Amino acid sequence: DTGVSQDPRHKITKRGQNVTFRCDPISEHNRLYWYRQTLGQGPEFLTYFQNEAQLEKSRLLSDRFSAERPKGSFSTLEIQRTEQGDSAMYLCASSHRDTYYEQYFGPGTRLTVT
Amino acid sequence: GDSVTQMEGPVTLSEEAFLTINCTYTATGYPSLFWYVQYPGEGLQLLLKATKADDKGSNKGFEATYRKETTSFHLEKGSVQVSDSAVYFCALREISSYIPTFGRGTSLIVHP
Repeated sequence: DTGVSQDPRHKITKRGQNVTFRCDPISEHNRLYWYRQTLGQGPEFLTYFQNEAQLEKSRLLSDRFSAERPKGSFSTLEIQRTEQGDSAMYLCASSHRDTYYEQYFGPGTRLTVT
Repeated sequence: GDSVTQMEGPVTLSEEAFLTINCTYTATGYPSLFWYVQYPGEGLQLLLKATKADDKGSNKGFEATYRKETTSFHLEKGSVQVSDSAVYFCALREISSYIPTFGRGTSLIVHP
């Protein structure tokens, strides 16, 4: 069990550019979650997948954001036309079908939009 | 909607001191309650949980009791260590949802 991994750990981009983040969950976990965390705040839910199906999206997930989990394993989160307000830590978590209440978090990707 | 309120940090203590981090919640249903811990440079880890009133969750010397009458889930530890320095998040999850609602987090700094 290598835990949840995220890549890259840090990303600096200019406003208006597109960015893509990757999350690799724990291998036997069927649920995968994306959160955003800003300084001094707790994680805020963005979206989650059960296998390859995207089952729920937050109103925080504007039309510039898109997430995929094409084969039910790794997931990507893309932000198009980045804005300075997108600067945050993006967290990924996964959980097993039998213990769905226990989410295992990755270390996060810190995005800075200049 | 659901919400979680935690005491402001940072909480600064000397090693072996008693710790309390307050957490209160507002929920429409009958939620499960959690404490997560985030060590520097790492992801959040589930520390303990409680699923019904009067349940006590415990792990690594930390405890929290689900108090429905006061809608609280305060985190306590009898004797903190320098290695407990981290950010602690209180969270709730409604029974009908897979998604937890987190508080803002409370930073704990323990000095030798």
